[in-house]
Amino acid sequence: NAGVTQTPKFQVLKTGQSMTLQCAQDMNHEYMSWYRQDPGMGLRLIHYSVGAGITDQGEVPNGYNVSRSTTEDFPLRLLSAAPSQTSVYFCASSKRERTGEQNQPQHFGDGTRLSIL
Amino acid sequence: GQSLEQPSEVTAVEGAIVQINCTYQTSGFYGLSWYQQHDGGAPTFLSYNALDGLEETGRFSSFLSRSDSYGYLLLQELQMKDSASYFCAVLGGGYQKVTFGIGTKLQVIP
Repeated sequence: NAGVTQTPKFQVLKTGQSMTLQCAQDMNHEYMSWYRQDPGMGLRLIHYSVGAGITDQGEVPNGYNVSRSTTEDFPLRLLSAAPSQTSVYFCASSKRERTGEQNQPQHFGDGTRLSIL
Repeated sequence: GQSLEQPSEVTAVEGAIVQINCTYQTSGFYGLSWYQQHDGGAPTFLSYNALDGLEETGRFSSFLSRSDSYGYLLLQELQMKDSASYFCAVLGGGYQKVTFGIGTKLQVIP
């Protein structure tokens, strides 16, 4: 049982490049989400998904796209990288406890450290 | 919108008890969570309070007062490995709409 797996662990991009951060979980969790963490700040929600085929925007969605074609995978796409997107990105998952119940992230990946030059 | 306040740093002695407070403002509230994060590591979920009162999990306890928009994390029998950042997070405003505080850096000293 690997939990939440993020790849790559480190990445350096040039401004304007695009890339996809991968996130996979093997716990059959309905909820998945992406956060970014900047120095001296808490985690900020980028996008989230409550199930396959369903995604929605979080607090800081601009410049990022997501899709959820399967329960297991929730990739985050940077469309045109900007230096302001330099950050540590965490993917998280949680199991829906009851129908309609709010749910907080419980399992995090190890993070992707992204630098945009 | 949602906002949270927690102290930026706390220092405590090994073996002692420390309390990390969190106050919040939110337009919709479902619960308060606590997370631990060691330097360079991923956040680890510690606890979740949806109702008023104290929840205990081993050496860690978490308390919530919805009427006061206030909660705290209590760490007992502090160990050096407890040195980490601790984040409170409010769940509210929609599915998975979690807002994190900026974190409290706990330093445990001998």
